[in-house]
Amino acid sequence: GAVVSQHPSRVICKSGTSVKIECRSLDFQATTMFWYRQFPKKSLMLMATSNEGSKATYEQGVEKDKFLINHASLTLSTLTVTSAHPEDSSFYICSARGAGGRTDTQYFGPGTRLTVL
Amino acid sequence: GENVEQHPSTLSVQEGDSAVIKCTYSDSASNYFPWYKQELGKGPQLIIDIRSNVGEKKDQRIAVTLNKTAKHFSLHITETQPEDSAVYFCAASKNTGNQFYFGTGTSLTVIP
Repeated sequence: GAVVSQHPSRVICKSGTSVKIECRSLDFQATTMFWYRQFPKKSLMLMATSNEGSKATYEQGVEKDKFLINHASLTLSTLTVTSAHPEDSSFYICSARGAGGRTDTQYFGPGTRLTVL
Repeated sequence: GENVEQHPSTLSVQEGDSAVIKCTYSDSASNYFPWYKQELGKGPQLIIDIRSNVGEKKDQRIAVTLNKTAKHFSLHITETQPEDSAVYFCAASKNTGNQFYFGTGTSLTVIP
């Protein structure tokens, strides 16, 4: 149980384009989803927290107009990187917290490797 | 805010030996401490967790201990195997569902 998927696993795009990453909880309802960014050999950096049906809460220094987050349902959250630039290249990981049962922990997706040319 | 420190940053052990990774936290209100294993190019996977009302928890070859007074917790892996090689992250949080504060990670290599 507690499976989280991400799509796509890898994406390469041109500078200036937008990229959407999907995060789905497959076997549980997620009231809260988190988006992280991870640089090589570094820890996870929380970008934003999203609750179903409400606006995401962004961490300090994260541009909300650049990283658009939508948590449209209890099983889906999306992160859209708008007008991507090479410095946005990174490993993006989502996690989900369950609505029932195990409500205290986060289950992570497999990550999305974004490369901006 | 919470500050989680993790040591060592790298650890090499011979297959069959034990590995210990330690984390300290600063906020005494933190009450939930998960450990994650991350393999190269993949997302973190929860391997064990402990709550502040428990001092130790074990799951087969993996155990976690918590010292609330000293504000530190440790991951113990016994009889290590090559497939245990990965990066391990500790985390701390307070109250259910709140933000996780992650350690900086430990790269564990198990030498066959």
